[in-house]
Amino acid sequence: AQTVTQSQPEMSVQEAETVTLSCTYDTSESDYYLFWYKQPPSRQMILVIRQEAYKQQNATENRFSVNFQKAAKSFSLKISDSQLGDAAMYFCAYRGTGNQFYFGTGTSLTVIP
Amino acid sequence: GAGVSQTPSNKVTEKGKYVELRCDPISGHTALYWYRQSLGQGPEFLIYFQGTGAADDSGLPNDRFFAVRPEGSVSTLKIQRTERGDSAVYLCASSQTGRAYGYTFGSGTRLTVV
Repeated sequence: AQTVTQSQPEMSVQEAETVTLSCTYDTSESDYYLFWYKQPPSRQMILVIRQEAYKQQNATENRFSVNFQKAAKSFSLKISDSQLGDAAMYFCAYRGTGNQFYFGTGTSLTVIP
Repeated sequence: GAGVSQTPSNKVTEKGKYVELRCDPISGHTALYWYRQSLGQGPEFLIYFQGTGAADDSGLPNDRFFAVRPEGSVSTLKIQRTERGDSAVYLCASSQTGRAYGYTFGSGTRLTVV
């Protein structure tokens, strides 16, 4: 089975600064998708960004970008110009050829004013 | 609807009771998923529906858990003889068919078994 590892249970960042959240995964598949989800206290998981494994170019969505290193099986999320509204749990997720997503254990991000 | 709706938002039940959790997906989304999120963990897969049928129920922990989606829209997760270990947030998500699509999640039902 695929596994997703987030080694940083908690991270903090000053408002307007940049922070990087780490994620590694283990798979034998070559065709897959990677996602970052944000979960605020409201509990609803919100899609932040997705990356197709066959694309070498790193995905970018406004202040959010990823560093996808396929050979190293690493998929980190960079948040630039951090805002108070970015404070939440962040989950890295993998989807291969099966029907399900595999999620990491999450990183709790605190934004300091 | 505009989003995925889950009811109730919170449910407290006594050990041994039966509970039903409801999910109303985004209109037109044929794929529907149930996940369970225990405290401090990421969501774990329970079951996947494509249309009316359960295409993959490999994540259901035991035969006390069952889910239906009779008309291909609303789904109900049913838990019999609840145990304290069933306490968790139960998340529902829907999507268009295709692996490239991320899910749209509901806000979950927090189930507490006392």
